[in-house]
Amino acid sequence: DAGVIQSPRHEVTEMGQEVTLRCKPISGHNSLFWYRQTMMRGLELLIYFNNNVPIDDSGMPEDRFSAKMPNASFSTLKIQPSEPRDSAVYFCASRPPIRGSGANVLTFGAGSRLTVL
Amino acid sequence: AQKITQTQPGMFVQEKEAVTLDCTYDTSDQSYGLFWYKQPSSGEMIFLIYQGSYDEQNATEGRYSLNFQKARKSANLVISASQLGDSAMYFCAPGGLETNAGKSTFGDGTTLTVKP
Repeated sequence: DAGVIQSPRHEVTEMGQEVTLRCKPISGHNSLFWYRQTMMRGLELLIYFNNNVPIDDSGMPEDRFSAKMPNASFSTLKIQPSEPRDSAVYFCASRPPIRGSGANVLTFGAGSRLTVL
Repeated sequence: AQKITQTQPGMFVQEKEAVTLDCTYDTSDQSYGLFWYKQPSSGEMIFLIYQGSYDEQNATEGRYSLNFQKARKSANLVISASQLGDSAMYFCAPGGLETNAGKSTFGDGTTLTVKP
C-alpha cells in the first residue's frame, strides 16, 4: 500500500486566495482525520470523518475552512479566503475499522506545508 | 472524551541512556487505548507503540516500552539505550475502542534531544 497520500506537499499562496488540500486514505480505512500543526498551537484536530460522514468538525477554526469526503478514497480541505495565520502543516490521517481490542493505529500522510503570504 | 497531558516540553538524555517521557490522561471510558507517535525533524508522524486499557502486560516494541499505570492514569514511554536518531518530538494520543467514531486528539508533545 502506498500509505496516505497528500497533495500538494508544499503550497505558497497569497492572502485571499483559495487553497485546496487533498488526501487519499489507505484503502480499507474508514476513518479520516485532518490535523493542523503550528509551533504556537501544536497538533490540532480539525475534523474527522467516519464512513465518509463528518462526525466532529468542532476543531475547524472558522467558516473559511471546509472539508469534504465525497467517497472512501478522497477528501479535501479547503480554505477560502486564505490568511497568513493559516500558514501551517496540514496532516491527513486514516484509520482502519475497529476490530476487537487491538490497536487502531492512525497512519499519517507526509503533510502539506502551507504558506500564506 | 479523553484529555491527554504531556508535562515535559523538552527532555535531554545522554546517548545509550534510558529516558522516560510522561503522559497522563483523563477519561471516563471503560475501554480505551493510548498511542505514542514520533515526529522527527523531517516532519512525518510515525507510530511507535500502543497500550490497551485491558492489556495485562505493559506494551513493548523493541527499545520502546510503556510504563502503564492505570490507577494513576499514566502511560509513560520509556526509550532504552537512546540513540541520536531518537531525537524528535514525541506525542501521546488516546484512541477510543468502544466506538468507531472516537476522535484522536494529541498531547502537546515532548521534544527529546539525545546528546552524544
